[in-house]
Amino acid sequence: GENVEQHPSTLSVQEGDSAVIKCTYSDSASNYFPWYKQELGKRPQLIIDIRSNVGEKKDQRIAVTLNKTAKHFSLHITETQPEDSAVYFCAAENSGYALNFGKGTSLLVTP
Amino acid sequence: GAGVSQSPSNKVTEKGKDVELRCDPISGHTALYWYRQRLGQGLEFLIYFQGNSAPDKSGLPSDRFSAERTGESVSTLTIQRTQQEDSAVYLCASSLVPLNTEAFFGQGTRLTVV
Repeated sequence: GENVEQHPSTLSVQEGDSAVIKCTYSDSASNYFPWYKQELGKRPQLIIDIRSNVGEKKDQRIAVTLNKTAKHFSLHITETQPEDSAVYFCAAENSGYALNFGKGTSLLVTP
Repeated sequence: GAGVSQSPSNKVTEKGKDVELRCDPISGHTALYWYRQRLGQGLEFLIYFQGNSAPDKSGLPSDRFSAERTGESVSTLTIQRTQQEDSAVYLCASSLVPLNTEAFFGQGTRLTVV
């Protein structure tokens, strides 16, 4: 099955700085890569996703890049704000199989 | 309600008892996933349903765990002879077919085995 590795496990940045979270996957057939944000005590919610036919996608302060050759993808958050503090999960899906998540990155944005 | 609904929201049970957790997916979502999240940990995949078949059961941690789905709607996750290490939040998610679309999560069932 798919194996998704996520780094770092914890990340602390100052407000206004950028944050980068990286993930690698093992199954070259994977073609969908979502990122979820989970605030304390709440359910995970999708913040951005990318499919294998594109290399980069941006939504305001959030961007995701995908390198299919290297089998890795990254989440970039610019101009971080305290409300960005949460646990972020990457995931990879091979159509027809399960959505497998990384172990999460706990992001803390300090004012 | 338009979202994924799980019940109960909290469950406290004695070690050795059986528990049944329920998930009502979003109407029309044929893909349904169960995950386990221990305190402060990641999302551990348990089982995936496509319709009422389960093409991927690889995540079920032991034969005490089983899951069913009726048609393309309700799913139940059953844990027999519960152990303290089963204590966790059990999250259900659903998504549309074709796959490669957003998976929507329920609020989870917090299971505590005492």
